[in-house]
Amino acid sequence: GAGVSQTPSNKVTEKGKYVELRCDPISGHTALYWYRQSLGQGPEFLIYFQGTGAADDSGLPNDRFFAVRPEGSVSTLKIQRTERGDSAVYLCASSLYAPGTLSGNTIYFGEGSWLTVV
Amino acid sequence: GQNIDQPTEMTATEGAIVQINCTYQTSGFNGLFWYQQHAGEAPTFLSYNVLDGLEEKGRFSSFLSRSKGYSYLLLKELQMKDSASYLCAVERGFQKLVFGTGTRLLVSP
Repeated sequence: GAGVSQTPSNKVTEKGKYVELRCDPISGHTALYWYRQSLGQGPEFLIYFQGTGAADDSGLPNDRFFAVRPEGSVSTLKIQRTERGDSAVYLCASSLYAPGTLSGNTIYFGEGSWLTVV
Repeated sequence: GQNIDQPTEMTATEGAIVQINCTYQTSGFNGLFWYQQHAGEAPTFLSYNVLDGLEEKGRFSSFLSRSKGYSYLLLKELQMKDSASYLCAVERGFQKLVFGTGTRLLVSP
């Protein structure tokens, strides 16, 4: 596609429920990232995929959060037993080159999925 | 550890020049990005600096001093549409971007 596509754009869920957020990166981009942004804050790194594997998941806050990218393209961020503190915008991003091959490899962000846990 | 500091908010007048500063203390520095983010929208790429010096791109320029842990974004000939948040982000390791909290710029007529 022309840009990074994320669905749903908005999600309201009850505390304790399970949520899946989907990301479709720019076609041909090998690297995919998930970030979380709370109101008035900058995006916070969650996880990064190179191909199908999670190259760095050090930003996932706890084991309720999990992400997959089974075919090296679309990714799903999964949140179990949601809590009110999980409310944020979840941003997906992608970049063309593998890390370390090119400095300043531009990372393109999607519009985000706005998650509200009530 | 990592610490990225930007002013929270700045105001300027249409047609003027504004400089948004960013200071950082972080390990594993590879480069520095600036992104623009309008309210409710995705961050969009503005500039990238890896070497010391000034990178100019139209009305926007970005400067980096690695030894001082300092960068700035310079916006010239301000337009109303430039009202947005400007995010400074340090590239660490495998393109893990560590963002500051952003500077909200308000441009008035």
